[in-house]
Amino acid sequence: GQQLNQSPQSMFIQEGEDVSMNCTSSSIFNTWLWYKQEPGEGPVLLIALYKAGELTSNGRLTAQFGITRKDSFLNISASIPSDVGIYFCAGQSQGAQKLVFGQGTRLTINP
Amino acid sequence: SAVISQKPSRDICQRGTSLTIQCQVDSQVTMMFWYRQQPGQSLTLIATANQGSEATYESGFVIDKFPISRPNLTFSTLTVSNMSPEDSSIYLCSALLGGSYGYTFGSGTRLTVV
Repeated sequence: GQQLNQSPQSMFIQEGEDVSMNCTSSSIFNTWLWYKQEPGEGPVLLIALYKAGELTSNGRLTAQFGITRKDSFLNISASIPSDVGIYFCAGQSQGAQKLVFGQGTRLTINP
Repeated sequence: SAVISQKPSRDICQRGTSLTIQCQVDSQVTMMFWYRQQPGQSLTLIATANQGSEATYESGFVIDKFPISRPNLTFSTLTVSNMSPEDSSIYLCSALLGGSYGYTFGSGTRLTVV
């Protein structure tokens, strides 16, 4: 079945640093989504990407839909303590209603 | 803002019993989804629930173990049947909402089977 390879699995950074994580797949996706999950909560949508090459920002977050349609990255600039959590990428292929999720990137920030 | 309410938020259950999880969406949606998230893991789709039809289960999940109801366009339930400790997980419902909401998740049900 389809799989998304998300890296890194975990990150330990200092407050103020920039963060970059990515997802790759052997399959083509028509939609890439990035979610953040905090303890005791469900994932919350951060950014949605619908077009190859698309670059979208949401505050300090920037995500891009790779031109091959097989990858996406998420950058967080000037990290702050509330950025702590697990970030998931998710892809949706053409004609499919369901999402495929990456393994997640656990972000820890030292103040 | 669109909201998905899920309950219970957590439960501790005896092995061999069943638990039904409820998911309420504050707008009508065609498709609802149920996921399992094992400790420290990613989300795995259990099934897709469409109103008025049988749920579609993913490989490794069967209706006898995870029966799903979808009585109307705003509500669904997932039952975890004949539970064992291996069923201890977070169970999440999701729905495809309109506009910028996209695929939205409930806050999850943390299930512990003892």
